[in-house]
Amino acid sequence: NAGVTQTPKFQVLKTGQSMTLQCAQDMNHNSMYWYRQDPGMGLRLIYYSASEGTTDKGEVPNGYNVSRLNKREFSLRLESAAPSQTSVYFCASTESWFEQYFGPGTRLTVT
Amino acid sequence: GQQLNQSPQSMFIQEGEDVSMNCTSSSIFNTWLWYKQDPGEGPVLLIALYKAGELTSNGRLTAQFGITRKDSFLNISASIPSDVGIYFCAGQGPGNQFYFGTGTSLTVIP
Repeated sequence: NAGVTQTPKFQVLKTGQSMTLQCAQDMNHNSMYWYRQDPGMGLRLIYYSASEGTTDKGEVPNGYNVSRLNKREFSLRLESAAPSQTSVYFCASTESWFEQYFGPGTRLTVT
Repeated sequence: GQQLNQSPQSMFIQEGEDVSMNCTSSSIFNTWLWYKQDPGEGPVLLIALYKAGELTSNGRLTAQFGITRKDSFLNISASIPSDVGIYFCAGQGPGNQFYFGTGTSLTVIP
């Protein structure tokens, strides 16, 4: 039972490049989330998906898009990366809205 | 967005000592969660609190949901070296979004 998995673990992009961060969960959870974590800022919600087929903006959605591909997978896309998007990105899932389970994170550097 | 103030920012304690940290919000939350994050890993849920006034334990950890619904605290008793890490509080606010504190970094000196 892998829980929440994320790929890639590390990525370096040049300004303006695009990429998609992948997240998958095997717990049959309805809800999935994308957060970014910056030093001294805690975790901030980028987008979330309450159920398959729905997505909603979180606290810091600008510069990102998401796709809930199916119940298991929730991807985060950066269309034109900027240095301000250098961060650690975490995906999480939950069944009950209350207890979120996190993946190991993707460390992204934009130069 | 919602602001969660978590204190202290960092703690250095001797092994065996008790630890206390808290989290306050300017808004009411329906749920409070406490997570621990090890270096290079994602946060791991420690305790979930669902009702104002609730006191919940998980081994050496005890957490309480404040009566005003604007605060929560976490206590760790008899700390051990593996307690080292960053502890985050999180509150569930409007729209079922979760808001996180800035974390308390705990160092346990053997």
